[in-house]
Amino acid sequence: DTAVSQTPKYLVTQMGNDKSIKCEQNLGHDTMYWYKQDSKKFLKIMFSYNNKELIINETVPNRFSPKSPDKAHLNLHINSLELGDSAVYFCASSQRGNGYTFGSGTRLTVV
Amino acid sequence: GENVEQHPSTLSVQEGDSAVIKCTYSDSASNYFPWYKQELGKGPQLIIDIRSNVGEKKDQRIAVTLNKTAKHFSLHITETQPEDSAVYFCAAFGQGAGTALIFGKGTTLSVSS
Repeated sequence: DTAVSQTPKYLVTQMGNDKSIKCEQNLGHDTMYWYKQDSKKFLKIMFSYNNKELIINETVPNRFSPKSPDKAHLNLHINSLELGDSAVYFCASSQRGNGYTFGSGTRLTVV
Repeated sequence: GENVEQHPSTLSVQEGDSAVIKCTYSDSASNYFPWYKQELGKGPQLIIDIRSNVGEKKDQRIAVTLNKTAKHFSLHITETQPEDSAVYFCAAFGQGAGTALIFGKGTTLSVSS
C-alpha cells in the first residue's frame, strides 16, 4: 500500500525521558513534515524536510530535532520530555505545491 | 506569515441538509487551498482542493468556492449523511521556499439522522 506510516501509534513515557517517532513514506514525495495537534485539534507545523534539507523550523523548542536519513524517512527525536509535549504528532508528505498525505498519528502522553 | 481563520467551530445539521464552512486567509500570495477531513483516531485526509486560478470546484456532494479578492474560501457539503460527521480543516499554502500548509482551527460537523 502506498502511504505514510508512522510508529509507534501510542507512546506513554515519563517526564525527562528521550523518545523518537519514526515516519516513512513510499509515495515518492519530495517533502516531509511534522505537525503537532493539541487537545483543541489545532494543527501546527513543526518541521519540514525537502531533499534532506530543513526548510522550515517554527518556534519549536530545540529539544525537538528532526532527522532525515533519506527522502523517504523523517524521524522526530524529543529530548527531556515535558508534560506540555503531550499531543498527537502527525507526519505528512507532499510533492511540492500539492496536497499533503498524512500518517495516522502518534499519541504521545507524558506522565 | 499566513493566518487562516475558520468558522464555525462546531456545526450540527440534520441528515440531508447542507453544511457550509468558511475560511479567510491573510496572505494574498497564497495560491493553493485544500480541505481535509479528520475522523476520530485518524490522520487528516484530503477531500478537495482549489487553486487560485479557479473560482469553484465540485466533486459529487462536495464543492469549494474561492473569492481571491475577499480572500475567502468555503466548503459546501450537500445532502449530508451521518458518515460526514468529522472535523474539517481548511488550509492555505503560499509561494516560495520555506512555506508549508497553514491550517484553520477546524470545524466539528455533526450530522444527525
